[in-house]
This record gives sequence, structure tokens and C-alpha cells, in this order.
Amino acid sequence: GDSVTQMEGPVTLSEEAFLTINCTYTATGYPSLFWYVQYPGEGLQLLLKATKADDKGSNKGFEATYRKETTSFHLEKGSVQVSDSAVYFCALSDRGTGNQFYFGTGTSLTVIP
Amino acid sequence: DGGITQSPKYLFRKEGQNVTLSCEQNLNHDAMYWYRQDPGQGLRLIYYSQIVNDFQKGDIAEGYSVSREKKESFPLTVTSAQKNPTAFYLCASSSRQGAGANVLTFGAGSRLTVL
Repeated sequence: GDSVTQMEGPVTLSEEAFLTINCTYTATGYPSLFWYVQYPGEGLQLLLKATKADDKGSNKGFEATYRKETTSFHLEKGSVQVSDSAVYFCALSDRGTGNQFYFGTGTSLTVIP
Repeated sequence: DGGITQSPKYLFRKEGQNVTLSCEQNLNHDAMYWYRQDPGQGLRLIYYSQIVNDFQKGDIAEGYSVSREKKESFPLTVTSAQKNPTAFYLCASSSRQGAGANVLTFGAGSRLTVL
């Protein structure tokens, strides 16, 4: 069945460091891929998405490219800020399974000044 | 502004009691979902509904019940049959059409603690 595997956390970085959070997926059809962010005590917010192979999603300096050949959707940011401290979830939605959503377990990021 | 409202934000329950968590959306979305979040386990789907008066069990439906009498509302009841109900509960919705199709929008969550 469909699934998402993402990098274990927690991740701690210094301000202005480069961020990569790995995400790979398994899907039966042609999924859409997402990154969501969750700040403490809040719900999830959509960070970025990509709907087909080679698409690049971007928002707030974060980027992720839909790589069908490696079934990956890694999240990157060139220079993190303290305000980026949150939990990041990789997710997919697959039309082949009735548009069900599948989430990774989340990666906690802490950015220190 | 359009969005999803969950209430209450915090709820305490004694063992053996049923509690109902409210979820209301004004986004005109067709589909609504309930997820449970536990530390280190990501999100697990409890129930979902694609249209009014219809809903399906998710991966962990045992001990929970839902209704979908109105498009805007999808309340979740945590029954006394749920063995370990202490968790953070998230409601979400999505549209099947338009630019925002197939994107989940989440509420702020409800934290249930069983005493």
C-alpha cells in the first residue's frame, strides 16, 4: 500500500544553516506530494506541494522537488531561522486510493541562535 | 476568513465518559477528516466523510463515532470504548474541485486528556 517515510528527528541546527529533511514514498498511482508544518500546540499548515514528476514546490524559502525516479520529495532551505523551529510532515495523496492522504511520522526541527 | 474551527481546544474527561469534539468549516469543502496525533507516531486517520450523510472508517475507528448531517459540520465522539483516548485530535477538510482541490486544510486541534 501507499506510505511515506521521512527522516527521523529531532534535528537541531544553528541559525543560517542549510536544512535537508529527507522524504521517500511508495504509491500505487500518481500521487500528489506535500510538506506540512506544525508549530507547537497548533494544527498543520500546508507549506508546499507538487502534483507531478519534476515539479518543484516552494514557499517561504523552502523547496522540494518531486523526483519520480527516486520516489523522493526532500525538503530544503538554504538558511534557516529560529522561527522555522517546528515539526515538518511529508505527505502524499493518491487518486488511485480514492485521494486518501498518507503522512510521515514528522521531523522536529529546532533552530538555535 | 474561511477556515476550520475546532472546539474545545482542551478537554478533560473522566474514564467511562463519552465526549464530543466539534469541527465546523466554512470553506464549502466536500470532504472532512478526523486524525489522531500521538507523540512520535504522526497522524492516524480515524474517520472521513466525502459527502453529507456518508462516512467511512479510517485506520483506527474503534471506540470513535461520527456524524455528517451538514456539509459544514463533522463532530467526533470519543466513546468509553476507546481504550487510550488521551491524544491531540485534528480535523481537516478538502475540496474536490478548483485550485485548492485535494489539499488538506486543518483546524487548530483539540487536546483530550483522560483523568
